[in-house]
Amino acid sequence: QVQLQESGPGLVKPSGTLSLTCTVSGGSIASTKFWSWVRQPPGKGLEWIGEIYFNGSPNYSPSPSLEGRVSISVDMSTNQVSLKLTSATAADTAVYYCARGGGGALAEPFDLWGPGTPVVVSS
Amino acid sequence: EIVMTQSPATLSVSPGESATLSCRASQSVRSNLAWYQQKPGQAPRLLIYGASTRATGIPARFSGSGSGTEFTLTISSLQSEDFAVYYCQQYYNWPPWTFGQGAKVEIK
Repeated sequence: QVQLQESGPGLVKPSGTLSLTCTVSGGSIASTKFWSWVRQPPGKGLEWIGEIYFNGSPNYSPSPSLEGRVSISVDMSTNQVSLKLTSATAADTAVYYCARGGGGALAEPFDLWGPGTPVVVSS
Repeated sequence: EIVMTQSPATLSVSPGESATLSCRASQSVRSNLAWYQQKPGQAPRLLIYGASTRATGIPARFSGSGSGTEFTLTISSLQSEDFAVYYCQQYYNWPPWTFGQGAKVEIK
């Protein structure tokens, strides 16, 4: 069955760029599904960051805490979805999840999640 | 942005009893409402979508109801593995997709 696995540095310096990858295994990323990133600060709730379709433009959260800093892309050759978050601050410290779902006008729930990867922003 | 508000924040329940969690949307989301369960150190797991449809493999003791702005998740006869945090999420109006703040079901 399809599985998701996040990977990337667990420590990012303030003002640096947080870069994570989600590897889709057991199925093709080129499916009729969107792929999203969701984060969860320590002890807090879930925040949707953005989504992408395998051959479409990404959609990003308009949240002031994220706007203008997020970039999501797809690499079909490696079956991966990538997240880049620039100008990182301590407020970006969180567990970052890759999830299948979202979908813009298609509007689907997040039916599959990766285990998550913790990222700490600190010098 | 649609704001999702869950209540209560914490619910203390004895094993075998039932639990009812509420979720309110700041505007109608029709039936585009999902419920997730999250246990410590784990990713969220989809329980309910379309307000009332159980996801694959979810036991029948989990049920969802509601439409528009008011939704309910009921867990009948709570098992030890059901003590967790539950989130509602709307997928009607985007961006962004939004979640409730979470509701913890703890052992009484």
